[in-house]
Amino acid sequence: GIQVEQSPPDLILQEGANSTLRCNFSDSVNNLQWFHQNPWGQLINLFYIPSGTKQNGRLSATTVATERYSLLYISSSQTTDSGVYFCAPQGNYGQNFVFGPGTRLSVLP
Amino acid sequence: EAGVAQSPRYKIIEKRQSVAFWCNPISGHATLYWYQQILGQGPKLLIQFQNNGVVDDSQLPKDRFSAERLKGVDSTLKIQPAKLEDSAVYLCASSSPRRVGGYTFGSGTRLTVV
Repeated sequence: GIQVEQSPPDLILQEGANSTLRCNFSDSVNNLQWFHQNPWGQLINLFYIPSGTKQNGRLSATTVATERYSLLYISSSQTTDSGVYFCAPQGNYGQNFVFGPGTRLSVLP
Repeated sequence: EAGVAQSPRYKIIEKRQSVAFWCNPISGHATLYWYQQILGQGPKLLIQFQNNGVVDDSQLPKDRFSAERLKGVDSTLKIQPAKLEDSAVYLCASSSPRRVGGYTFGSGTRLTVV
């Protein structure tokens, strides 16, 4: 099945800083999702982005399917952005979404 | 719209006991998923339902795990007998093809096997 890597594994930021999280995947993908898991464990879908770029407030995501990676940008980070960010690509043959190991983000006040 | 409901929120059992988790997806969502999330890892799919039929259960340990989705709505995941390595958060999610935008997850059930 598809292999997923995320970097960095851990990230500590000062409030107001910007960051880029990366997701690499081993095979061609049909779709890709980004999720945020808050410190209480709730998983929230951030983006459904099979290709191209999408923006939602301070967050944006870009997927370059031909090069097998996706990026999540967080600008002007806030303490509420803390948690774990997962990418989950879906292979081209109807497989389910496979979650990466996540990037743990801590935003300090 | 109401979210995905799961219960119980927490459960502690002894090894070899049985346990069941319940999930009520968002109304109208035909697809329902059960995931297992071990501490420090990403969620791993256990089983996917489309209405009341199983689409993918390739990663479900069928010797001890079972799941059903009654009438294509609520779902129950059961573990019998539980092992120490089953300690994890069990997450339910649902999705609808009519809404392009991915999954909605419930709050999960945290299982501790002692």
